[in-house]
Amino acid sequence: QKEVEQNSGPLSVPEGAIASLNCTYSDRGSQSFFWYRQYSGKSPELIMFIYSNGDKEDGRFTAQLNKASQYVSLLIRDSQPSDSATYLCAVNGGNAGNMLTFGGGTRLMVKP
Amino acid sequence: EAGVTQSPTHLIKTRGQQATLRCSPISGHTSVYWYQQALGLGLQFLLWYDEGEERNRGNFPPRFSGRQFPNYSSELNVNALELEDSALYLCASSRGNNQPQHFGDGTRLSIL
Repeated sequence: QKEVEQNSGPLSVPEGAIASLNCTYSDRGSQSFFWYRQYSGKSPELIMFIYSNGDKEDGRFTAQLNKASQYVSLLIRDSQPSDSATYLCAVNGGNAGNMLTFGGGTRLMVKP
Repeated sequence: EAGVTQSPTHLIKTRGQQATLRCSPISGHTSVYWYQQALGLGLQFLLWYDEGEERNRGNFPPRFSGRQFPNYSSELNVNALELEDSALYLCASSRGNNQPQHFGDGTRLSIL
């Protein structure tokens, strides 16, 4: 079992819709949770981080964390074609210490 | 605020040679991390430096090594290069434990 799992996609949504990206992790000691966006050929860009159970909103983005279910999600409201990218879920803490353990990423396609 | 800077952008080497990659963290960040992203593979943790000390290393052979300087900049050295070392090498920095990591643009290393 991979430590951090994501559906590879592609996830296709129409412009203006809500995109929902999901991630599960195996290490119950994980403490910090991050979402990065990576455009093809570019480096990852941090878009959200969350430490506590519940929701955290920033603009069009909402991160959701459920530690009991070992589940993290990212919602993107009013999706735009420019949101088309690979979204990487990453966790640290627990057995991983301060290093980030990444999922394989979900490719999101927003169609005009 | 300047972001994480990496040099060179591209590096072409032949098998058996040695490569040196450089990274300058965001001002105020003391932790530097190195990751490898090989084509078709996810981001893999290589090394973590904090306050000049190596704190953790990933599952890579000893020919991958590095150091952190008093000004918190860092070098990644790869000896005896092999074809499978061809990848995007990403440096990230953070303020401390479990804090968000911000990535540089990466160095693309190609082994011929």
